[in-house]
Amino acid sequence: GEDVEQSLFLSVREGDSSVINCTYTDSSSTYLYWYKQEPGAGLQLLTYIFSNMDMKQDQRLTVLLNKKDKHLSLRIADTQTGDSAIYFCAESMAPYSSASKIIFGSGTRLSIRP
Amino acid sequence: DGGITQSPKYLFRKEGQNVTLSCEQNLNHDAMYWYRQDPGQGLRLIYYSQIVNDFQKGDIAEGYSVSREKKESFPLTVTSAQKNPTAFYLCASSPGTLNQLPTYEQYFGPGTRLTVT
Repeated sequence: GEDVEQSLFLSVREGDSSVINCTYTDSSSTYLYWYKQEPGAGLQLLTYIFSNMDMKQDQRLTVLLNKKDKHLSLRIADTQTGDSAIYFCAESMAPYSSASKIIFGSGTRLSIRP
Repeated sequence: DGGITQSPKYLFRKEGQNVTLSCEQNLNHDAMYWYRQDPGQGLRLIYYSQIVNDFQKGDIAEGYSVSREKKESFPLTVTSAQKNPTAFYLCASSPGTLNQLPTYEQYFGPGTRLTVT
């Protein structure tokens, strides 16, 4: 069945790089997403990658996709205290009808050490 | 400014009462969604609507009901039949494939935290 898995916690030192990993099961995924959730707030789309790409870079964010292993990662360079949040990996299936179905992982809580 | 609003941010109810959570969007999106988030868990889909006057059950629809009478609005009612209603509820919308936008990304509201005692 459809499943997205990620580790629950990650702690990094301020200024270091953070790497958040995710595995997914459905090889027919069209897009893969990273969302950020700050405490008590909704989810904010950080970036997405189309399944025929293997890398996407956007300022401090780098997304790597290994389609063979169904592995997605998000690297945050020069991690800052404002990066503290829960990061959700998500995949969207081939669309059915006109709505997208997105499957979310359980989220990785990133905490920053001084 | 375009976006999704959910109100109220915090909601308290007694057990046995129905409660309706509001979700409004001015993004002109066709599709809208309701998710439930519990601590340490991902988002679980309750209901979604592809277009006005149409909606489908998600993975955990039991004890919930929705309506989609206007494109901008997708209210969620948590009924007394929902066994464990205390949770953080998130509403989202997406353009839908009707608008030919390819990314299928969803835009989220700020959420409503419902506590039932």
